[in-house]
Amino acid sequence: GAGVSQSPSNKVTEKGKDVELRCDPISGHTALYWYRQSLGQGLEFLIYFQGNSAPDKSGLPSDRFSAERTGGSVSTLTIQRTQQEDSAVYLCASSLGWGGNQPQHFGDGTRLSIL
Amino acid sequence: GESVGLHLPTLSVQEGDNSIINCAYSNSASDYFIWYKQESGKGPQFIIDIRSNMDKRQGQRVTVLLNKTVKHLSLQIAATQPGDSAVYFCAEYPSGNNRKLIWGLGTSLAVNP
Repeated sequence: GAGVSQSPSNKVTEKGKDVELRCDPISGHTALYWYRQSLGQGLEFLIYFQGNSAPDKSGLPSDRFSAERTGGSVSTLTIQRTQQEDSAVYLCASSLGWGGNQPQHFGDGTRLSIL
Repeated sequence: GESVGLHLPTLSVQEGDNSIINCAYSNSASDYFIWYKQESGKGPQFIIDIRSNMDKRQGQRVTVLLNKTVKHLSLQIAATQPGDSAVYFCAEYPSGNNRKLIWGLGTSLAVNP
């Protein structure tokens, strides 16, 4: 399809393991965002990428979290040494540009469960 | 009624009635606003947006109203249907350099058949 694609859709792992979450944005979208959403809560901003600019990492909760975006397209969010409080839905969004009055379009997220 | 913390504000309406979901935004410098709908197990879905130079914008069965004087945004859904049941979020873009989308807490809409 033409929307934002995230994989896996569900991930269950043991505490202490590393996980990688993948996001394929809409083709042509230069801005990419990662959010975290806990059950019944709003969206917590994690990081965004805009073109070739340095990413805004101000929302990453700890140094166990990192993200990269290769070739201005696909992005990977990595969580090292997972903790139970990392359990949440991780959402990726993309937009045509940064801010600039462009709506963000979301994937359906990766539901991460840490045992 | 409304509550804070872990419980989302909830609006319950009868099928066919009109729904009004309200949002108080935080930044008087915000110049672009978006409403999203999130169904269970899905990501937020764009519904409608409005820029600060407007006070009303209409889509298909939805209308967004913006009152900058009191920093209030509302989403009106006409002839509400069971498929409209979801959590609705408002989001705002502050003007200036730090243009991160600021999200509201969300309102849960339940449509009774």
